[in-house]
Amino acid sequence: AQSVTQLGSHVSVSEGALVLLRCNYSSSVPPYLFWYVQYPNQGLQLLLKYTTGATLVKGINGFEAEFKKSETSFHLTKPSAHMSDAAEYFCAVSPAGSARQLTFGSGTQLTVLP
Amino acid sequence: KAGVTQTPRYLIKTRGQQVTLSCSPISGHRSVSWYQQTPGQGLQFLFEYFSETQRNKGNFPGRFSGRQFSNSRSEMNVSTLELGDSALYLCASSWLGQGAVSAETQYFGPGTRLLVL
Repeated sequence: AQSVTQLGSHVSVSEGALVLLRCNYSSSVPPYLFWYVQYPNQGLQLLLKYTTGATLVKGINGFEAEFKKSETSFHLTKPSAHMSDAAEYFCAVSPAGSARQLTFGSGTQLTVLP
Repeated sequence: KAGVTQTPRYLIKTRGQQVTLSCSPISGHRSVSWYQQTPGQGLQFLFEYFSETQRNKGNFPGRFSGRQFSNSRSEMNVSTLELGDSALYLCASSWLGQGAVSAETQYFGPGTRLLVL
């Protein structure tokens, strides 16, 4: 069975500072990995995904993540936080070959301080 | 292109009742998945439909069911509601090529917030 662990349910950063949200997964084979963002009273929006190929994945809004198989990690970063980045972020994993049965982490609430 | 739409957006029911939620996928998308989001359990996969057939199912009791119509619209039904069914129910759609699987992106709707009293 696959699982996802997001370290830190709440993360606060100052505007302009580096954003680092941590995600570790457990899977017997390399899965597909995703980061989604959820704004209040809205659904989920895909930030980026890793399936195969290049391990550094760039997404929307300046976010990127690096797949590290040896560390079973897929941490999300953004060089400079913006107030509009305040939201809840979810890391998710799916079996390789199917992106439609996602297992989500518990989420990280990002607060951006002025 | 219009996004995934879900109706109703908010719903209040009492224990023991049943409820039906509706999801209209993005035009051309043939796969629809449902997820339940609660503060305690987080986001959990319910089931996925493709070509009117349930392809995958999560670990939920039989009170949770769904179906998909020929136009790819999907409904999910919860019978004999319990307090613990209060949640945000999210629908996601994705495009699947002929015989293909791969990593099509799932696009999520805004959800239906169900409150069971």
